[in-house]
Amino acid sequence: GAVVSQHPSRVICKSGTSVKIECRSLDFQATTMFWYRQFPKQSLMLMATSNEGSKATYEQGVEKDKFLINHASLTLSTLTVTSAHPEDSSFYICRVGTSGSNLDTQYFGPGTRLTVL
Amino acid sequence: DAKTTQPPSMDCAEGRAANLPCNHSTISGNEYVYWYRQIHSQGPQYIIHGLKNNETNEMASLIITEDRKSSTLILPHATLRDTAVYYCIVGRISNFGNEKLTFGTGTRLTIIP
Repeated sequence: GAVVSQHPSRVICKSGTSVKIECRSLDFQATTMFWYRQFPKQSLMLMATSNEGSKATYEQGVEKDKFLINHASLTLSTLTVTSAHPEDSSFYICRVGTSGSNLDTQYFGPGTRLTVL
Repeated sequence: DAKTTQPPSMDCAEGRAANLPCNHSTISGNEYVYWYRQIHSQGPQYIIHGLKNNETNEMASLIITEDRKSSTLILPHATLRDTAVYYCIVGRISNFGNEKLTFGTGTRLTIIP
């Protein structure tokens, strides 16, 4: 069964509104969570990395005030797209990491498709 | 920047072995080779990883050259459900689960009936 869930799986919103995407680790404590964005027919682009209880680290070119990340617990991280515009329409995917050297525990969520009208 | 190069697309007949190559000529000694795949509109799925020895699991085999500058993912008996984009990634072991994984463009594998 899935070990990482995302909610919602798809969302359509009007331009200017804010959208919150949740990423939950179901079976283990996620010390680190990563957020990726994927435009159609393109690869995954890392947006930011967050560790539980601390501020997220954003990749170059990603606006931290537009993409708010909260990682308040070891099982939940949220990405809020503030004042969304059509160019923010994309597939957003989280990835969770846990302590230890088992590389197959780097699980990805199923993704959230955001469409901004 | 991605540290790997892969062919953009490949076709494979159903039931045959699919061999997906990857070049990672700048790989460093403490970096592993990971393979993930992404089926349309889903999150990436882990397949296999290795350091220098060949690896096999229930999904695939990974062959890494002796100089570690390239590798090949082998799906022994491809099925239509193996149609996906396959990503080869290099990255270090991290005891804290916080290693960044940088995705390249991947190979779009199409299994032909």
